[in-house]
Amino acid sequence: ETGVTQTPRHLVMGMTNKKSLKCEQHLGHNAMYWYKQSAKKPLELMFVYNFKEQTENNSVPSRFSPECPNSSHLFLHLHTLQPEDSALYLCASSHYTEAFFGQGTRLTVV
Amino acid sequence: AQSVTQLDSHVSVSEGTPVLLRCNYSSSYSPSLFWYVQHPNKGLQLLLKYTSAATLVKGINGFEAEFKKSETSFHLTKPSAHMSDAAEYFCVVLYNQGGKLIFGQGTELSVKP
Repeated sequence: ETGVTQTPRHLVMGMTNKKSLKCEQHLGHNAMYWYKQSAKKPLELMFVYNFKEQTENNSVPSRFSPECPNSSHLFLHLHTLQPEDSALYLCASSHYTEAFFGQGTRLTVV
Repeated sequence: AQSVTQLDSHVSVSEGTPVLLRCNYSSSYSPSLFWYVQHPNKGLQLLLKYTSAATLVKGINGFEAEFKKSETSFHLTKPSAHMSDAAEYFCVVLYNQGGKLIFGQGTELSVKP
């Protein structure tokens, strides 16, 4: 248990579905992140939020839409995904010298 | 630009021999550095972290890492590899300015019997 909780742990969705991934931390961290980990590829940083403001968007397609309603919660809204979007999506949070990762959501797009 | 480089994408050792996984980072005032391990189809597990205390950091499962500021390195070592150490290892740097958490590309460790 790292203090960063991701739900769901596994998700299978069709290309026309809309779903959301959730990340939650009550560690008092001010920065939160979404990463994508595809098979045989390096981890890709998708989005960074600092104090609820998006500070980084690494050219992520618009079918991925992040939302950070408060400093404890981070969402990744998914719509009209492609099979190549199947991956492990990791959430992290950090504050000064601390960083923690969630266990990830394993997403399969069919 | 802030970056983290893991110098080897794949390392293969024999069981019982030493392990060295290399990591270099771009210089920054007081970064925090971490090593994580990921076993197949699992999440990330923290091995150890450096946060400006002792430069030699001891972690779980017999792993250690030494922070060398002059070389901007944070290499991970273990005196004797075990079969269960076979996994992907990630060096991660937290640049405190701007709260940026950056991953290295990962090193796959194989352990031969």
